Amino acid sequence: TQLLEQSPQFLSIQEGENLTVYCNSSSVFSSLQWYRQEPGEGPVLLVTVVTGGEVKKLKRLTFQFGDARKDSSLHITAAQPGDTGLYLCAGLAGGTSYGKLTFGQGTILTVHP
Amino acid sequence: DTGVSQNPRHKITKRGQNVTFRCDPISEHNRLYWYRQTLGQGPEFLTYFQNEAQLEKSRLLSDRFSAERPKGSFSTLEIQRTEQGDSAMYLCASSWEDRATNEKLFFGSGTQLSVL
Repeated sequence: TQLLEQSPQFLSIQEGENLTVYCNSSSVFSSLQWYRQEPGEGPVLLVTVVTGGEVKKLKRLTFQFGDARKDSSLHITAAQPGDTGLYLCAGLAGGTSYGKLTFGQGTILTVHP
Repeated sequence: DTGVSQNPRHKITKRGQNVTFRCDPISEHNRLYWYRQTLGQGPEFLTYFQNEAQLEKSRLLSDRFSAERPKGSFSTLEIQRTEQGDSAMYLCASSWEDRATNEKLFFGSGTQLSVL
């Protein structure tokens, strides 16, 4: 069974601070996705990383896929209250040709004004 | 693109009752998924349809659970003889098979089930 461990589980910071969320596994994934989920809503895809060592930027968010494709990180620069939400990483196992994702348990981010 | 629609948004039921949820995927999507999410956890895969064919079921899906996608469009998830442990958010997602791009799932807002 492939598992994804996210850390930290909770993060409470002030507006303007930087933060990093980590997603680790002992298994190799063919790709890894990051989602953001608001209370009472479904997850919304932010980014997909595929190549080991890949870095993608989405405005103030920077996503990195580990060289061995077992881990990933999400870095937010100058966090804003609108960034508040549940951040989930999800891996797609190698050889899987459809969207059967393994999700981490999530990081609840609260950004205080 | 009206997004993935799930009904009802909330369902409260008594233990032992049967419940049925509906998912309407994005119209051109041929793949449909059901996931379950409990409080403080990420979603867990339950089952996958390609068009009308159910191609994979998780071991999490006991015999009390059944899912259908009769015409390859909307899907239903039925839980018979509900138990308190079935209380969760049931999420539906859809995607379009495209070998040229990475799988991109679009999730609905979910059905929150509470079993009393």
